[in-house]
Formats: sequence, C-alpha cells, structure tokens
Amino acid sequence: EAGVAQSPRYKIIEKRQSVAFWCNPISGHATLYWYQQILGQGPKLLIQFQNNGVVDDSQLPKDRFSAERLKGVDSTLKIQPAKLEDSAVYLCASSFLTSGGLYEQYFGPGTRLTVT
Amino acid sequence: AQSVTQLGSHVSVSEGALVLLRCNYSSSVPPYLFWYVQYPNQGLQLLLKYTTGATLVKGINGFEAEFKKSETSFHLTKPSAHMSDAAEYFCAVSDRAAGNKLTFGGGTRVLVKP
Repeated sequence: EAGVAQSPRYKIIEKRQSVAFWCNPISGHATLYWYQQILGQGPKLLIQFQNNGVVDDSQLPKDRFSAERLKGVDSTLKIQPAKLEDSAVYLCASSFLTSGGLYEQYFGPGTRLTVT
Repeated sequence: AQSVTQLGSHVSVSEGALVLLRCNYSSSVPPYLFWYVQYPNQGLQLLLKYTTGATLVKGINGFEAEFKKSETSFHLTKPSAHMSDAAEYFCAVSDRAAGNKLTFGGGTRVLVKP
C-alpha cells in the first residue's frame, strides 16, 4: 500500500514570497490533515478536511495560509506572503475510520520550509 | 481543551538499558492515546495506541505503554534500548468530541549511547 506522498521535500524562499505544498493521501482515506511542526515542538494541526469539506481550520492563520482539497483527494497548502516564523516542517496526514471508531492517522514525510 | 505534557525534552540511555518516556495528558472524555516516533527527515510513524480494553499496550519495535487513568499517564517503555531507537518520540491524545483531532506533546529526543 502506497503511503502519503508530499512534495516538494524541501523549499527555501525569501520572506514575502509565496509557496505551495502538495499532498496525495492514501487511496480511500476520506480525512486529510495538514500540520505545522516548528523545530523542537510537536506537530500542530492547521486544517482538517473530510472529503473536500473543512472540518476544522481554527488554527490556520487565514490572513496568509490557505488550503484546498478539490475532488476530495489531493490537497494543496499555500502560504502568501511567507514570514520568517513560517519556517517549519509541514506534515500531511490521512486517516480512515476503523471498526472501533478510531481515526488512525498516517503521516507523509513532510516538507521542510525555510524562510530567509 | 486537551493537552499533553512530555517530561524531559531529551533522554540519554545506554544501549541495552531501559527506555522510559513519560507522558501525562488532560482530557474531559475517555481518551484515545498514541505514541509516534519520528526519525530524522521523516514523517511520524505510529508505535502504539490505546483505545479501550487492556491498559498495557504493546507496539512495534519492542515498545509498550501503560494507560493509568488515575494518574492520567501513558508512559512508554522498552526494556532494552537499541542504537536504532535513537529518534524523537511524541505522545498524542485524540479528541473524540472534535473530529478525532490529535493534540501532541512537545516530544522527547532519545539518544542511545554505545
């Protein structure tokens, strides 16, 4: 079974530039998540999709971050304009509902963003 | 709101020694609890999870964790550390009342000395 795919793996941009990340979840997983992991911290949820609808975007800085999941499969996360504090690893995860009522999340390798 | 506290951001153990990583959580409802491992430049891999039933949970790579409701703890252990266990470990709690959103602790980096 193929895992969660993300690209690019690394990106370096200057502040005030724009950047986009792509995620392809595991086939059949209806739920997709974007996390931000700042160096030395645990991942923080930015946005959660159920199919192509947003379930939770309460911690997404909407003045500069946007995300979409067209057709309920692939997703893109965009930052425009980037700030120095956006330097982090951006993790994508997808999940399915187990028979026990648990959403078990599978993570991609992440995109490491450096803003200079 | 749920929260997770991992005691000790760095732990150093000798190869063959016990690994003990501490995790305490707060949750208003019975939690789902997880331990993930992250190797350098990789995503998170699930080590083990607690949902219901037996409070001692066994995971991959020889790790296990015990859910103690009275102590709101979910500590991770491995009897004998191996060099390949050097990684960062994250404890997480799932909020069943909020779409199973995961809240992570700050992580514990494990260094294994030969």
